[in-house]
Amino acid sequence: NAGVTQTPKFRILKIGQSMTLQCTQDMNHNYMYWYRQDPGMGLKLIYYSVGAGITDKGEVPNGYNVSRSTTEDFPLRLELAAPSQTSVYFCASRALRTDERNTGELFFGEGSRLTVL
Amino acid sequence: DQQVKQNSPSLSVQEGRISILNCDYTNSMFDYFLWYKKYPAEGPTFLISISSIKDKNEDGRFTVFLNKSAKHLSLHIVPSQPGDSAVYFCAASEGGANNLFFGTGTRLTVIP
Repeated sequence: NAGVTQTPKFRILKIGQSMTLQCTQDMNHNYMYWYRQDPGMGLKLIYYSVGAGITDKGEVPNGYNVSRSTTEDFPLRLELAAPSQTSVYFCASRALRTDERNTGELFFGEGSRLTVL
Repeated sequence: DQQVKQNSPSLSVQEGRISILNCDYTNSMFDYFLWYKKYPAEGPTFLISISSIKDKNEDGRFTVFLNKSAKHLSLHIVPSQPGDSAVYFCAASEGGANNLFFGTGTRLTVIP
């Protein structure tokens, strides 16, 4: 059971380069999320999606784009990398919380550490 | 604007004793709270949650207490074990909203 899979785990970018962080989940979850975690900080929401074809901005969307063409995949695109985007990125998914038995908790990937120099 | 706050960056506890991790929030509309545990180089994993209709939820060695009037929740781990050493994040959400707001985390070290 793979859960949430993120690639790559590590990447170094030069300022102005572009890249895509990949995220795939095999739990048939409708909801998917991208968070970033800076040192000593909590996780901040970048973008989220409530289903295929639907995406919305979170707290810190500037400099990023997402797409959700399938239920399984939710890639995060950085168009013009900046040093401020140096962070650890986490993708997560969850099922719809319908009752007390379904806690609706997020399932996280292992993270992608991105450094922009 | 940090809506969920964990004011203790770190906590050290002897093995077998109780660990108490605290979390405060500012948004009175939050109605669902979760604790996540994170080991180095791994993603956070869900630990325990509580709805605002309850003031306590227990799962084995882990108990979460919610004090709505004080906008405060705490996670109790008893007895603490060395394998509990990790960073613990408190998170909150509002009325079925899609976002979870996370605290900055508390690093728990359980000393054998």
